[in-house]
Amino acid sequence: EAGVTQSPTHLIKTRGQQATLRCSPISGHTSVYWYQQALGLGLQFLLWYDEGEERNRGNFPPRFSGRQFPNYSSELNVNALELEDSALYLCASSSGTVPNQPQHFGDGTRLSIL
Amino acid sequence: SQQGEEDPQALSIQEGENATMNCSYKTSINNLQWYRQNSGRGLVHLILIRSNEREKHSGRLRVTLDTSKKSSSLLITASRAADTASYFCATDARGGSEKLVFGKGTKLTVNP
Repeated sequence: EAGVTQSPTHLIKTRGQQATLRCSPISGHTSVYWYQQALGLGLQFLLWYDEGEERNRGNFPPRFSGRQFPNYSSELNVNALELEDSALYLCASSSGTVPNQPQHFGDGTRLSIL
Repeated sequence: SQQGEEDPQALSIQEGENATMNCSYKTSINNLQWYRQNSGRGLVHLILIRSNEREKHSGRLRVTLDTSKKSSSLLITASRAADTASYFCATDARGGSEKLVFGKGTKLTVNP
């Protein structure tokens, strides 16, 4: 069984640009979660999609957005990039809604803002 | 906010020793999960313990949960160099927004 896959592995952008990160969940999983892991700050919850709908959103500005496609893959878009957006962005999937199911993580996209 | 806080922040032990990491949280939960993260990789789910459970085992892992103290511990017995990683607890708020809240993790180093 293929795990959660994320692309690209690394992404380098400059301030003000836009970034698109992609995630493919484990086959059969309908929920996709996005997290930001900045240095020293642990994982911060960004977004949760389930069955194509945004179910919950963390405390991030509107320039962080995303969507989930009919095949349950997901995109995270970050507009007007700022230096503090540099972080590892992790995607996770699960077969049901929290709290009953563990989340399965991809290896992340490391976004660097120059 | 209801956030898990791991203690200690860093732990260094010798191979063969036991490692204990603690997690405290603030509000009532449905369950608590422990994850491991190897450097530069994603998180790997280790164990989930429900709020009505007090102890759970998985191989060399033992997790306890004390809901009266709002705390949990992860014990790794007979540690190996391959156990070197960061360990995170994650909680979900009962009746809350159905999202997992992670602590900042404990960085475990097992020296061969």
